[in-house]
Amino acid sequence: KAGVTQTPRYLIKTRGQQVTLSCSPISGHRSVSWYQQTPGQGLQFLFEYFSETQRNKGNFPGRFSGRQFSNSRSEMNVSTLELGDSALYLCASSLASSFSTDTQYFGPGTRLTVL
Amino acid sequence: GENVEQHPSTLSVQEGDSAVIKCTYSDSASNYFPWYKQELGKGPQLIIDIRSNVGEKKDQRIAVTLNKTAKHFSLHITETQPEDSAVYFCAASMDSSYKLIFGSGTRLLVRP
Repeated sequence: KAGVTQTPRYLIKTRGQQVTLSCSPISGHRSVSWYQQTPGQGLQFLFEYFSETQRNKGNFPGRFSGRQFSNSRSEMNVSTLELGDSALYLCASSLASSFSTDTQYFGPGTRLTVL
Repeated sequence: GENVEQHPSTLSVQEGDSAVIKCTYSDSASNYFPWYKQELGKGPQLIIDIRSNVGEKKDQRIAVTLNKTAKHFSLHITETQPEDSAVYFCAASMDSSYKLIFGSGTRLLVRP
């Protein structure tokens, strides 16, 4: 089975621009979560989607948004980029067949650099 | 709010020795505790996980213990090998939260 795939792997943008990152979950997984990883703040939860619905959201400004498609693929968007948005953005997928937390499997991440 | 503390931040051991990493969580409703290993340039990889109805779980050289009363859980790696060198993260989650709260990570170095 193929793992979680994320595109692009690397991205360089300038302040004020917007960016869209893509995530394809493991086949059969219906939940997709996004995390931001930085040296200073560590791994922080952004949001989680299941069946195209956002079930939870972390403490990030409204510039960070996401969506999930009917095939479970997900995208996240960051508008009006700031230098502090430079980070590794990780996507994780899980079966999430019930209300309990299922094992989350991570992709390789997208390294975003904001200049 | 929810918080997970992880210690130590760095750990250096000789090949063949054991390594122990400890985490403490704040929310008593947490009931799922995974451990991830992250190598340079890669995403976190699940190495073992435990649920709150179990006190200990083992998988070959890796074991995790959970003390619900003290809200502590620990990762034990025995007979360490150089390829165990990586950053290890603990995390905690609770039903219906659909998110993982991560510790700050432990950089493990296994000296040959």
